[in-house]
Amino acid sequence: AQSVAQPEDQVNVAEGNPLTVKCTYSVSGNPYLFWYVQYPNRGLQFLLKYITGDNLVKGSYGFEAEFNKSQTSFHLKKPSALVSDSALYFCAVRDGNNFNKFYFGSGTKLNVKP
Amino acid sequence: DARVTQTPRHKVTEMGQEVTMRCQPILGHNTVFWYRQTMMQGLELLAYFRNRAPLDDSGMPKDRFSAEMPDATLATLKIQPSEPRDSAVYFCASGLDRGLYYNEQFFGPGTRLTVL
Repeated sequence: AQSVAQPEDQVNVAEGNPLTVKCTYSVSGNPYLFWYVQYPNRGLQFLLKYITGDNLVKGSYGFEAEFNKSQTSFHLKKPSALVSDSALYFCAVRDGNNFNKFYFGSGTKLNVKP
Repeated sequence: DARVTQTPRHKVTEMGQEVTMRCQPILGHNTVFWYRQTMMQGLELLAYFRNRAPLDDSGMPKDRFSAEMPDATLATLKIQPSEPRDSAVYFCASGLDRGLYYNEQFFGPGTRLTVL
């Protein structure tokens, strides 16, 4: 089945440490990949996307993500976490062969402790 | 600062009542999405419009839910009759598709629906 998976419900990291939030996908064709963040009682906000080109994409608030075609992954990273990064993160993917089909992951709760 | 707006922000109603949620997409955007978010199910896509035409509503319970775009500035999601299991936060999002180039979605603040 075509989908996107976020294997970790929750990620805990100390402030100042690097963080990684994992995402793997399974769709046909060349995917369009996105990361969104959701703060409490708010809608989702776009962070970054990969369409084509450089496998490392940079986005808002110092986040970046690396597209790895062989591992079908698009992990979100940040070199130094802030307490204010604590939020719910969603990975999303659009099917490269059927643009009417796209999928959101189940979300990963990031907790950054002081 | 262009934003997606949703009304109402909160709605409490009794089982069996009709609920209408409204969304104003960002001006110039040609796609509109309706999502439902619950703790148990996460984020579920209910409906997807491009240029006001419905492209995918396979995630929407057809017997009680309906989604429309009367014009380019208004999208509606109706539930009739509502049930307690419909209690959730409903998000509207809009975006701009240009041929095969698909852009990110911009989400509204959501409508928190409670059905008693």
